[in-house]
Amino acid sequence: GNSVTQMEGPVTLSEEAFLTINCTYTATGYPSLFWYVQYPGEGLQLLLKATKADDKGSNKGFEATYRKETTSFHLEKGSVQVSDSAVYFCALSDQLYGGATNKLIFGTGTLLAVQP
Amino acid sequence: GAVVSQHPSRVICKSGTSVKIECRSLDFQATTMFWYRQFPKQSLMLMATSNEGSKATYEQGVEKDKFLINHASLTLSTLTVTSAHPEDSSFYICSARDLRKLFFGSGTQLSVL
Repeated sequence: GNSVTQMEGPVTLSEEAFLTINCTYTATGYPSLFWYVQYPGEGLQLLLKATKADDKGSNKGFEATYRKETTSFHLEKGSVQVSDSAVYFCALSDQLYGGATNKLIFGTGTLLAVQP
Repeated sequence: GAVVSQHPSRVICKSGTSVKIECRSLDFQATTMFWYRQFPKQSLMLMATSNEGSKATYEQGVEKDKFLINHASLTLSTLTVTSAHPEDSSFYICSARDLRKLFFGSGTQLSVL
């Protein structure tokens, strides 16, 4: 079945360091891929997405490229800030109904802690 | 932006009691809501899909008589964990669909003693 594997945390970085959080997936067909972020005490929020191979999703300085050949969707940011401290979830959806996602399959989440 | 409110954020209960978790869409109507569960170091797993005015659709392996879902209005879905046991201790999170987007609640940490 479809699945998502992401690196275990916590990831601890100093401010302005480069961030990579690895995410790989297993899926039949052509899934859409997502990164969600959960700040302390808040709900998950969509950070970025990509719907087809070679697409690059980007938002708030974060980027991820849909790599079909390596079945990966790694999250990157060139210079992290303390405010980026959160839990990051990689997810895929194998169904897209009129643009609305239906069933999401999540990774385990990766806690990022950025120190000043 | 759209907000989903989930309550309570944390609950501790005795084994054998029932616990109700509420999920509300605050500024939009959600015909469909989803309930997820996450055990420590594991993925968020979809438990069930809740449709307003009809029975919920449960994922394989999820006991519908244990996890009662009621979606009585377009802004409220509830999950009741009946006769909770320590193995039900987990993080529960809901989401609601507004047209093209999914919005998530902040989650409920359930601890059953």
